[in-house]
Amino acid sequence: GENVEQHPSTLSVQEGDSAVIKCTYSDSASNYFPWYKQELGKRPQLIIDIRSNVGEKKDQRIAVTLNKTAKHFSLHITETQPEDSAVYFCAAIFQGAQKLVFGQGTRLTINP
Amino acid sequence: SAVISQKPSRDICQRGTSLTIQCQVDSQVTMMFWYRQQPGQSLTLIATANQGSEATYESGFVIDKFPISRPNLTFSTLTVSNMSPEDSSIYLCSVQKGSNEQYFGPGTRLTVT
Repeated sequence: GENVEQHPSTLSVQEGDSAVIKCTYSDSASNYFPWYKQELGKRPQLIIDIRSNVGEKKDQRIAVTLNKTAKHFSLHITETQPEDSAVYFCAAIFQGAQKLVFGQGTRLTINP
Repeated sequence: SAVISQKPSRDICQRGTSLTIQCQVDSQVTMMFWYRQQPGQSLTLIATANQGSEATYESGFVIDKFPISRPNLTFSTLTVSNMSPEDSSIYLCSVQKGSNEQYFGPGTRLTVT
């Protein structure tokens, strides 16, 4: 069925270090993979996305990689800062129904 | 992106009553969606709001409990009917812009007592 698995559920890193969050998806036809950041009490915000025709995309300190063969994609945050603390959700689009299915979320804490 | 507003931002309701949540976007969009996010949980799609036709509901959600309207390309409503405490949650609308990008409204925090 339609499924996105996200790991870890919580992640704590020292300020300035890197953070990596990983997701796997079930539908080999999926071709769009967004990442959302949700701060406490706020709406999820789209921070980066990747399509299946590329393997990596960068935007300043964040990057996303995609391995279509293994059906997994990852979010990389470098030089972490306290404002990176939030819950991060990955998602994949399921082509049959044109809908996003979300991972379970990762609570990222940046320790000063 | 898109400018999306929701009303109300929060409400406290008695069990057995109904609440209608409004979602307004600043430009015409084909696809609008309604999600539920329970405390500390991920986002669960309730339904896709289709303009000019009935909404498409996900498994576990039914029209009698969550009727949806989509009268035009900038507006949708979700009603939570015959509420129980288990319906306490955050309800979010989202819109699809461009090619698959989804943007979320600020959410409606519902508490049922």
